[in-house]
Amino acid sequence: DAKTTQPPSMDCAEGRAANLPCNHSTISGNEYVYWYRQIHSQGPQYIIHGLKNNETNEMASLIITEDRKSSTLILPHATLRDTAVYYCIVRVAFTGGGNKLTFGTGTQLKVEL
Amino acid sequence: KAGVTQTPRYLIKTRGQQVTLSCSPISGHRSVSWYQQTPGQGLQFLFEYFSETQRNKGNFPGRFSGRQFSNSRSEMNVSTLELGDSALYLCASSMDRVETQYFGPGTRLLVL
Repeated sequence: DAKTTQPPSMDCAEGRAANLPCNHSTISGNEYVYWYRQIHSQGPQYIIHGLKNNETNEMASLIITEDRKSSTLILPHATLRDTAVYYCIVRVAFTGGGNKLTFGTGTQLKVEL
Repeated sequence: KAGVTQTPRYLIKTRGQQVTLSCSPISGHRSVSWYQQTPGQGLQFLFEYFSETQRNKGNFPGRFSGRQFSNSRSEMNVSTLELGDSALYLCASSMDRVETQYFGPGTRLLVL
């Protein structure tokens, strides 16, 4: 799986958009970009994933650059409950690649009043 | 739909003992993966089971083992516990081997 690079920490004011960057410059054409978050001592929570196109769901938006070497997770209106460690992960998209997520150290997002 | 459930949620054991942790996947999910999370090593993949067979294994000693039953429920076992096995053990399930994994709340194991 491709390696990802994320800033160790970020701050965001409540109500503002939180933009979390991720670099995955060695990503392959058959690898998805996944985002999970982990609130202290809980299991990771799935947020969103994408292959080439930008994606949006009820939680967040995922913007993937055209060359797929980086992406940004956008939480449009951050709340205090969004304070968590956010993990950007790339994983293969075919069965033979194995069902395994490789977690890095993630970004600690702190949302403040 | 109920999420992934793990039992027990908390466990205290002493060195040398063995422990069995249980995971019930989301209904209809056939792939179950296990992860270990420690402050020093972060989140690390242990193994994956699909159709009652181990399909993928991380870099852990043979003391860590698992199995999956015909109803997709899974157990993992750690024998001869060491202090360093103290961790949050997470189970994740997915419909098949290429679909999104959803995590349970974890079992926190403390080895004294």
